[in-house]
Amino acid sequence: NAGVTQTPKFQVLKTGQSMTLQCAQDMNHEYMSWYRQDPGMGLRLIHYSVGAGITDQGEVPNGYNVSRSTTEDFPLRLLSAAPSQTSVYFCASKTGPALSYEQYFGPGTRLTVT
Amino acid sequence: DAKTTQPPSMDCAEGRAANLPCNHSTISGNEYVYWYRQIHSQGPQYIIHGLKNNETNEMASLIITEDRKSSTLILPHATLRDTAVYYCIVRNQGGKLIFGQGTELSVKP
Repeated sequence: NAGVTQTPKFQVLKTGQSMTLQCAQDMNHEYMSWYRQDPGMGLRLIHYSVGAGITDQGEVPNGYNVSRSTTEDFPLRLLSAAPSQTSVYFCASKTGPALSYEQYFGPGTRLTVT
Repeated sequence: DAKTTQPPSMDCAEGRAANLPCNHSTISGNEYVYWYRQIHSQGPQYIIHGLKNNETNEMASLIITEDRKSSTLILPHATLRDTAVYYCIVRNQGGKLIFGQGTELSVKP
């Protein structure tokens, strides 16, 4: 299994541009989520999904959209990038929403918005 | 959501046990304690989790106090590769992982 994969690894955008961060997992996990990590802030949950067709907001959802058309993929869209969205983005997945399931993280995407 | 409190940093000598404390005094009865770590520039890595009983796996041991208000992660023989930020997390009812600031563990030769 490849686990959780993310593309691209690095990205530079200009303010106002849009882009999609890709996330895929091959473990047949129901639950997927997106986090951003900023210095001194820890990881903050952006959006999550408990299964195909179902998404919900996390702590910091503004400026981001998600969709979950398949179990495997959970893309994160930035509609109009802002410098405040400069961050490292991590995608994660786990078997289901139950409390006892461990979460697997991808390697991250480093995004810079100028 | 139960919150956790960890020391911001700790040092440990290579080959010695690293004991990382965590306070979670407002934990609810059905909330699990999770530990993750993040090595520089990589995604977080699951280490261990527990509810009430002490747990051990190939990476670490987790000791949870009887009142569940605190726990300790033990790396029995720390190596330089264990240098990382360690996060103690209490999972809330919705199943979301809420990361705090963590403890930056430096293992020194």
